[in-house]
Amino acid sequence: ETGVTQSPTHLIKTRGQQVTLRCSSQSGHNTVSWYQQALGQGPQFIFQYYREEENGRGNFPPRFSGLQFPNYSSELNVNALELDDSALYLCASSSGTSGRNTDTQYFGPGTRLTVL
Amino acid sequence: AQSVTQLDSQVPVFEEAPVELRCNYSSSVSVYLFWYVQYPNQGLQLLLKYLSGSTLVESINGFEAEFNKSQTSFHLRKPSVHISDTAEYFCAVVQGAQKLVFGQGTRLTINP
Repeated sequence: ETGVTQSPTHLIKTRGQQVTLRCSSQSGHNTVSWYQQALGQGPQFIFQYYREEENGRGNFPPRFSGLQFPNYSSELNVNALELDDSALYLCASSSGTSGRNTDTQYFGPGTRLTVL
Repeated sequence: AQSVTQLDSQVPVFEEAPVELRCNYSSSVSVYLFWYVQYPNQGLQLLLKYLSGSTLVESINGFEAEFNKSQTSFHLRKPSVHISDTAEYFCAVVQGAQKLVFGQGTRLTINP
């Protein structure tokens, strides 16, 4: 059974650029959640996708957007990058009905984004 | 909105000593609580969770946590720590039906 994988592992961008981060969910999981973890902080929920539909969103601006594909892999897109977007971006997958968060979320290793 | 407070940002202990990492939550409804561990340069791994039933939950590596509704706490304990337990520990609560709300984390440092 393959765990959650994310790519790339590290990324450096400049302010104003756009970035796409990718996540492959664990086999059999239909729900993907994205979190932003700033240095020294706990992860903060960005949004969740269940069966290709957005199923909840945290307090992030619209320039943070996402997609989920039929194979349940997912992308996180961030436009007009700002310095404060520098963080570890974590993807988590889970299985269950209607994207309930009582299902255990399994996290990937994350993508470290640095915005200069 | 639910929130989680981890009362200690750093906890240094000696190897083989006991440790308690404190977590308090705010909620007026049913709660589902989790402890995750993050080793250096890695993602989060589930340590244990409380959904219902017995208020004492255990992990396979010797950690346990007790759900205390009257004190709104979910403290994590281990009777004897090892060097390999050095990591960041996050307490989290489910909010609504979609997301985990995490505390700020507690850095556990084990000294030989």
